[in-house]
Amino acid sequence: DTGVSQDPRHKITKRGQNVTFRCDPISEHNRLYWYRQTLGQGPEFLTYFQNEAQLEKSRLLSDRFSAERPKGSFSTLEIQRTEQGDSAMYLCASSLRTGRAAGELFFGEGSRLTVL
Amino acid sequence: DQQVKQNSPSLSVQEGRISILNCDYTNSMFDYFLWYKKYPAEGPTFLISISSIKDKNEDGRFTVFLNKSAKHLSLHIVPSQPGDSAVYFCAASVGDKIIFGKGTRLHILP
Repeated sequence: DTGVSQDPRHKITKRGQNVTFRCDPISEHNRLYWYRQTLGQGPEFLTYFQNEAQLEKSRLLSDRFSAERPKGSFSTLEIQRTEQGDSAMYLCASSLRTGRAAGELFFGEGSRLTVL
Repeated sequence: DQQVKQNSPSLSVQEGRISILNCDYTNSMFDYFLWYKKYPAEGPTFLISISSIKDKNEDGRFTVFLNKSAKHLSLHIVPSQPGDSAVYFCAASVGDKIIFGKGTRLHILP
């Protein structure tokens, strides 16, 4: 399967714990996006990378959130000191685009976080 | 601040009929519009898109119409099939960022 893969698919944690999600994009894609989706809402933009450079971060991404994409390949999203409000589906997407437009995103199946 | 709005949370359509999903936007700087489809337990998948310089794009049973003066776009599915039952997200991009609406759940009735 050469699509976008995310791991783990589901994470249950206690409030205050740290969690890390991993995303492996489609190999030739240079852009990688993180979105968060809660019940009844559409995906909300968190951050994106072009190769290894993090180009934009949403104000939704508090100091407890950090994302990396070392070497421009896979990416990790870490949430420190989790809170119950962090419970959501975390979606990763990648795209191959040159120029200005974002283009079509290819999404993974998501990592669902439940904070107890 | 919801820049992309889908005001109908759900829509039911008889199989074989036309499904019309609507979307409004507020940011006149959006230059590209997309529709995504999502099944339960899966990530959204790209369906069809349209550049802001066009007013219509067609791909098989799917057609997207853009009315820039009204800041409105719609997705037409004809004829509707049972496999079209899903959540449909309208999205718009400005530069590298894509912003999504809340989605409309489409039910295709037998």
